[in-house]
Amino acid sequence: GDSVTQMEGPVTLSEEAFLTINCTYTATGYPSLFWYVQYPGEGLQLLLKATKADDKGSNKGFEATYRKETTSFHLEKGSVQVSDSAVYFCALSDPSGAGSYQLTFGKGTKLSVIP
Amino acid sequence: DGGITQSPKYLFRKEGQNVTLSCEQNLNHDAMYWYRQDPGQGLRLIYYSQIVNDFQKGDIAEGYSVSREKKESFPLTVTSAQKNPTAFYLCASMGQGYPMNTEAFFGQGTRLTVV
Repeated sequence: GDSVTQMEGPVTLSEEAFLTINCTYTATGYPSLFWYVQYPGEGLQLLLKATKADDKGSNKGFEATYRKETTSFHLEKGSVQVSDSAVYFCALSDPSGAGSYQLTFGKGTKLSVIP
Repeated sequence: DGGITQSPKYLFRKEGQNVTLSCEQNLNHDAMYWYRQDPGQGLRLIYYSQIVNDFQKGDIAEGYSVSREKKESFPLTVTSAQKNPTAFYLCASMGQGYPMNTEAFFGQGTRLTVV
């Protein structure tokens, strides 16, 4: 079945530091890839997405590139802010898989940014 | 505005009681999902539905029940058989059929506490 593996947290960075959260996946078909963000006590919000190889998703200074050859979708931001403190989930949607239209999530990475 | 609404935001359950969590969407999405999130943990799939009057068990369906009588609604009942129901519950919906099948929308969650 499909799976998503993302780096374990928690991650603690100083403000303006560079952020990378690694994400790799396995899928039976040709998935769409996502990063979601969850702030304390809230639901998940879509941060960015990519639907085909070499697509780059970007939003709010965050970026991730769909790398089919390495089955990866790493999240990056050049300069984090305190307001970026949250839990980040990597996910995929595989319309060709046995569980069609079922999202597969990583376990989440908690990011804390300190002033 | 289109979106997905969960209610209530906070819910308290006494031992031995059944409680029902509401999830409504006006996005005209076919697929709907229920996830459970425990503190510091990722998402675990309880049930999902791809079409009205049909639903499938996820990874942790025991002690839960659902119905899908309308496209817009996917209520989750936490029964007395669920021995450890205290958790944060998230509902999501997604369109079906590429390219619609590219992202899920989440509600704001219901925090259930056993008292």
